[in-house]
Amino acid sequence: GDSVTQMEGPVTLSEEAFLTINCTYTATGYPSLFWYVQYPGEGLQLLLKATKADDKGSNKGFEATYRKETTSFHLEKGSVQVSDSAVYFCALKNTGGFKTIFGAGTRLFVKA
Amino acid sequence: DAGVIQSPRHEVTEMGQEVTLRCKLISGHNSLFWYRQTMMRGLELLIYFNNNVPIDDSGMPEDRFSAKMPNASFSTLKIQPSEPRDSAVYFCASSLTGGELFFGEGSRLTVL
Repeated sequence: GDSVTQMEGPVTLSEEAFLTINCTYTATGYPSLFWYVQYPGEGLQLLLKATKADDKGSNKGFEATYRKETTSFHLEKGSVQVSDSAVYFCALKNTGGFKTIFGAGTRLFVKA
Repeated sequence: DAGVIQSPRHEVTEMGQEVTLRCKLISGHNSLFWYRQTMMRGLELLIYFNNNVPIDDSGMPEDRFSAKMPNASFSTLKIQPSEPRDSAVYFCASSLTGGELFFGEGSRLTVL
C-alpha cells in the first residue's frame, strides 16, 4: 500500500543553519505530496504542497520539489530560525482518493 | 474565519468511564476526519466522513469507539468504556472533498 518514510529525528540545528528533512514515498498512481508542520500544543497545518512531478512547493522560506524519478519530496530551508522548531510531517494523497497518508514526523529543534 | 474547533482541550478520566470528544467543522467544508496521535504509533486515521456519511471506519480500533455526524458542521467521537491505552491526542480535521486538511488543536485524553 501507499506509504511515506521520513528521516528520524530529532534534528538539532543552530539558528541560520541549512535544513534538509528527507522524505520518500511509495504510491500507486500519481499522488499529491505535502509537508505539514505541528507547533507545540497545536494541530497540524499545511506548510506546502506539490501536485505533479517537478513541481516545487514553497512557503515561509521552506521548499520541496516533487521528484518522481527518486520518489522523493525533501524539505529544505536555507536559514532556520528558533521559531521553526516544530514537528514536520511529509504526506501524500492519491488523486481521487480521500485518505492522506502521513509519515512518522521529524522533530526539529533550533538553538539560538 | 473560525478554524476547526475541538472540545475539550484536555480530558482526564478513569478507566471504564465514557468519553465524548467534539468537533465543529469549518463552515462550508464537507469532509471530516478523526485522527489519533501517540508517540508509539504516530498519526492514525480513525474514521472519515463525507457529506455526513461515514465512508471508511477501518481505523477505528474497537467497538468501544464510535463516531457520528448529526449535522453538516458537527461531529462527536465517543469511547465507552475508556481504557488507559486510549490515552492520546485526538484531532479532527476538515476539508472540502479532495482538498487540504485543516486540523483542530486537538483533545488530549488521559485515562487513568
